[in-house]
Amino acid sequence: EPEVTQTPSHQVTQMGQEVILRCVPISNHLYFYWYRQILGQKVEFLVSFYNNEISEKSEIFDDQFSVERPDGSNFTLKIRSTKLEDSAMYFCASRVGGHQPQHFGDGTRLSIL
Amino acid sequence: AQSVTQPDIHITVSEGASLELRCNYSYGATPYLFWYVQSPGQGLQLLLKYFSGDTLVQGIKGFEAEFKRSQSSFNLRKPSVHWSDAAEYFCAVVPIQGAQKLVFGQGTRLTINP
Repeated sequence: EPEVTQTPSHQVTQMGQEVILRCVPISNHLYFYWYRQILGQKVEFLVSFYNNEISEKSEIFDDQFSVERPDGSNFTLKIRSTKLEDSAMYFCASRVGGHQPQHFGDGTRLSIL
Repeated sequence: AQSVTQPDIHITVSEGASLELRCNYSYGATPYLFWYVQSPGQGLQLLLKYFSGDTLVQGIKGFEAEFKRSQSSFNLRKPSVHWSDAAEYFCAVVPIQGAQKLVFGQGTRLTINP
């Protein structure tokens, strides 16, 4: 069964550094998402992406965040200048469209030191 | 405020016992409803979904859920749990009026006693 793949599984970064989290969505999917889960808290929506543009973003997704689909397969989340509070598990998801659910990757655990 | 509530943070059941995990939502219209499971170190796996139609939906791994409009609930059930069902369970909704983002409940951690 096709899967959403996320790399790396764990990223450790110094505060203030840029980080890029990578995702390979399922190949025929058209809608892409990023979520995050701070330890002990809910999974929170960050951003959705369709047709090469952001379709919705949350208040968490400020100017420090950006997303890109640089080619036909990758979907990336960039945090320009990381803060301690960015430490979380980041999940990528994709969806084919219509009344179909989102499929999630295994997540990237981001630790900011 | 619009939200998804899972009242039970942690539930412990014995292997072979029945299970019910509660989920309530507060949205004006009936949203799309989902249950996801997260095993340790794993991502979120879809158990089942409800968009419309039959209010009792069957999922993978022997799980089912029942949508009750009058109670704004979408409770997850399994008649007999297995040790491998130990995991975190998340109820999630897509509010129809909004975009396709998922809004998650807090999660319920399920522990299985042998």
